[in-house]
Amino acid sequence: DVKVTQSSRYLVKRTGEKVFLECVQDMDHENMFWYRQDPGLGLRLIYFSYDVKMKEKGDIPEGYSVSREKKERFSLILESASTNQTSMYLCASSLQGTYNEQFFGPGTRLTVL
Amino acid sequence: QKEVEQNSGPLSVPEGAIASLNCTYSDRVSQSFFWYRQYSGKSPELIMSIYSNGDKEDGRFTAQLNKASQYVSLLIRDSQPSDSATYLCAVNSGSARQLTFGSGTQLTVLP
Repeated sequence: DVKVTQSSRYLVKRTGEKVFLECVQDMDHENMFWYRQDPGLGLRLIYFSYDVKMKEKGDIPEGYSVSREKKERFSLILESASTNQTSMYLCASSLQGTYNEQFFGPGTRLTVL
Repeated sequence: QKEVEQNSGPLSVPEGAIASLNCTYSDRVSQSFFWYRQYSGKSPELIMSIYSNGDKEDGRFTAQLNKASQYVSLLIRDSQPSDSATYLCAVNSGSARQLTFGSGTQLTVLP
């Protein structure tokens, strides 16, 4: 079974702090994704990566950056957290191919005070 | 702009009934179609994939795809209270690595 893990289930940070969210997958997937999910807004893609050191902006990249130094690991960075970044953050991965089915990690509920 | 539309619900069905969830998509070249189940406070879980026209059955779940009508549905037979969740429809065009998700349909199965 595909396993996607995220570094924290719950995280509380202060406004202005630098925040790192880490995601690791164990199935040698090429593609990795970061989403945020908010009530009434659905899943919104922040960034994705299709290879080591490669990244592409999703729909809402502002205020975020990412890092992919190893194939299995994809990090989301909030350079200076703000209260409007309080959300559920979901990481997913997929094998590059025709179907592109994604598998999600458990999510990180981030609260910025 | 690729779009995936779902009835937001909420949809309520009695225990033992068939729940029918619907999804339409705008991109005619879409090739892969997925249904995810998401319990409150949890992450989405892939429950069905369908790639060709027709029906695909897995236990109590049946996915139906009609590419001509740009329509995909999920039927849940013998609905159980444990099926109460939000169901997300997702579509991939094949040329893109990412999926386009619908906003989800909240299903409640009443005991």
